[in-house]
Amino acid sequence: QVQLVESGGGVVQPGRSLRLSCAVSGFTFSSYAMHWVRQAPGKGLEWVAVVLYDGSNKFYADSVKGRFTISRDNSKNTVYLQMNSLRPEDTAAYYCARYSRGLLWGRGTLVTVSS
Amino acid sequence: AIQMTQSPSSLSASVGDRVTITCRASQGIRNDLSWYQQKPGQAPKVLIYDASSLESGVPSRFSGSGSGTDFTLTISSLQPEDFATYYCLQDYNYPWTFGQGTKVESK
Repeated sequence: QVQLVESGGGVVQPGRSLRLSCAVSGFTFSSYAMHWVRQAPGKGLEWVAVVLYDGSNKFYADSVKGRFTISRDNSKNTVYLQMNSLRPEDTAAYYCARYSRGLLWGRGTLVTVSS
Repeated sequence: AIQMTQSPSSLSASVGDRVTITCRASQGIRNDLSWYQQKPGQAPKVLIYDASSLESGVPSRFSGSGSGTDFTLTISSLQPEDFATYYCLQDYNYPWTFGQGTKVESK
């Protein structure tokens, strides 16, 4: 059974950093691009970043470019999102997702950026 | 970035109604579009991929159509469990972009 489990969320002050992790199981992780998508409280979905299957290419939303870094470790079946210079507007539930016949989502982890 | 304009932002409907939601892309995206349903407190769930392909396990009352710039999600006969928010997503090129969402509420 395919599972994606995010962790690493919490409360952080503006300007600080946080690293999210997403551990996956139930499929051949190294064959899939992996995504992060976020949703601010009461708002819509925002695609954040993708890392291709071998980590060779990464793409970002303009809103996070230069501050967030996506990476993966295929030996650990895990994808990461390093978030630096956090802003209050980065407050959101962060989901990792795999694309195969649409996006398959984890349950998300909540990040709150507040002083 | 490609802009996805989804409409309406909300609608009120009754059980048994036919419901239609549209998404328009700011440029052609072939059929690289998927539709998601999200209920409060839950992660989104894919309903349709490649514009018109029904994901396994999704009821056949859901259907998708369109290609290029104009796309439609149709619920042929709304059921109580279908009250939720729906999003389109273009996966034609990066950065991927979602529509703003459509909240389907009970009339």
